[in-house]
Amino acid sequence: KQEVTQIPAALSVPEGENLVLNCSFTDSAIYNLQWFRQDPGKGLTSLLLIQSSQREQTSGRLNASLDKSSGRSTLYIAASQPGDSATYLCAVAPYNFNKFYFGSGTKLNVKP
Amino acid sequence: GAVVSQHPSRVICKSGTSVKIECRSLDFQATTMFWYRQFPKQSLMLMATSNEGSKATYEQGVEKDKFLINHASLTLSTLTVTSAHPEDSSFYICSANQGIREKLFFGSGTQLSVL
Repeated sequence: KQEVTQIPAALSVPEGENLVLNCSFTDSAIYNLQWFRQDPGKGLTSLLLIQSSQREQTSGRLNASLDKSSGRSTLYIAASQPGDSATYLCAVAPYNFNKFYFGSGTKLNVKP
Repeated sequence: GAVVSQHPSRVICKSGTSVKIECRSLDFQATTMFWYRQFPKQSLMLMATSNEGSKATYEQGVEKDKFLINHASLTLSTLTVTSAHPEDSSFYICSANQGIREKLFFGSGTQLSVL
């Protein structure tokens, strides 16, 4: 069974800092990987989706990379802002069926 | 982007009553809808996967008679928590995608509190 791990569980940084969030998965046979943001008491907002054939995806200040062979993905946030404070989750979709496995998330706090 | 609407956002009910939560895809046809449960400070736990017109597939340990899922159309799925008890209190979130393993879009969640 696929297991998804996110480290660190929590991160606090000063505004303006660049940061990296990590996601690792045990089974490299994935179809795609998606990064989400969740604000307290809210649903999830999709940030980036990387297909298994891709190495990275970029959207604004966000850059997600994927190294399928090593079972890793990173989410890079440039020039962090207080508004980036949220929990970030990654999810992987396996090849063999329509299901998504979620990590436990990284709670980010960007201090003004 | 695609929008998934979930209602109600919050519900408080007495123990023993049933609660229905609706999940609608507003601007796309959802091949599959997923129902998750989330406890405070924890990740999402997949409860079941539903496809339009067929029975839902429940994850191990999830009681299908307790959590009734109906996927009546390509834009609507409902989760009914039957005879709710305080231990059912949780945050329930639905999600949908247009195709197998395609991008997931989430509803805003429903906070259920059973007294």
